[in-house]
Amino acid sequence: NAGVTQTPKFRILKIGQSMTLQCTQDMNHNYMYWYRQDPGMGLKLIYYSVGAGITDKGEVPNGYNVSRSTTEDFPLRLELAAPSQTSVYFCASSYFSGGSNEQFFGPGTRLTVL
Amino acid sequence: QKEVEQNSGPLSVPEGAIASLNCTYSDRVSQSFFWYRQYSGKSPELIMSIYSNGDKEDGRFTAQLNKASQYVSLLIRDSQPSDSATYLCAVIGQAGTALIFGKGTTLSVSS
Repeated sequence: NAGVTQTPKFRILKIGQSMTLQCTQDMNHNYMYWYRQDPGMGLKLIYYSVGAGITDKGEVPNGYNVSRSTTEDFPLRLELAAPSQTSVYFCASSYFSGGSNEQFFGPGTRLTVL
Repeated sequence: QKEVEQNSGPLSVPEGAIASLNCTYSDRVSQSFFWYRQYSGKSPELIMSIYSNGDKEDGRFTAQLNKASQYVSLLIRDSQPSDSATYLCAVIGQAGTALIFGKGTTLSVSS
């Protein structure tokens, strides 16, 4: 199992550009998440999904969009990039059925908006 | 606003000592508690989970939970230089699914 994979690893965007961060998991997990981590800060939830076709906002959703058409993939779309979106983005997944919800993280995408 | 608080550190301990990392949380109905280790430039790695009051041991790691005091801690015995990292405390509330993270405590183990 590759676990949770993310592409790209690094990206520099200009203000106003758009991009999609890719996330794929091969663990057949039902839940998937997007977090961002700013320097010296904890991770904050952007969006999450409880299954294919179902997504919901987290703590900091503004400026982002998500979709989940398959169990494996959960892309994060940035529209009109702004310097405030400079951060490290982590995708995570878990199998949750009401008990434990141990989440496993991908390697991250480091995004700089100039 | 649900919060998780940790001392940012750095916490410095000599090799072989016990490192004690602490975390408090504000949501009294929180049910699940996790410790993640994050090396510089890497992603968080789950090292311990705990759901019931008391201690849970896994190798050199012991997690301690006190729901009445809303307090969770991580003890690392026989600390090694390879334990030098940032340790993130994370909490899931009742019926919640997403993790609420503290800002992390940086641990430095000197040889």
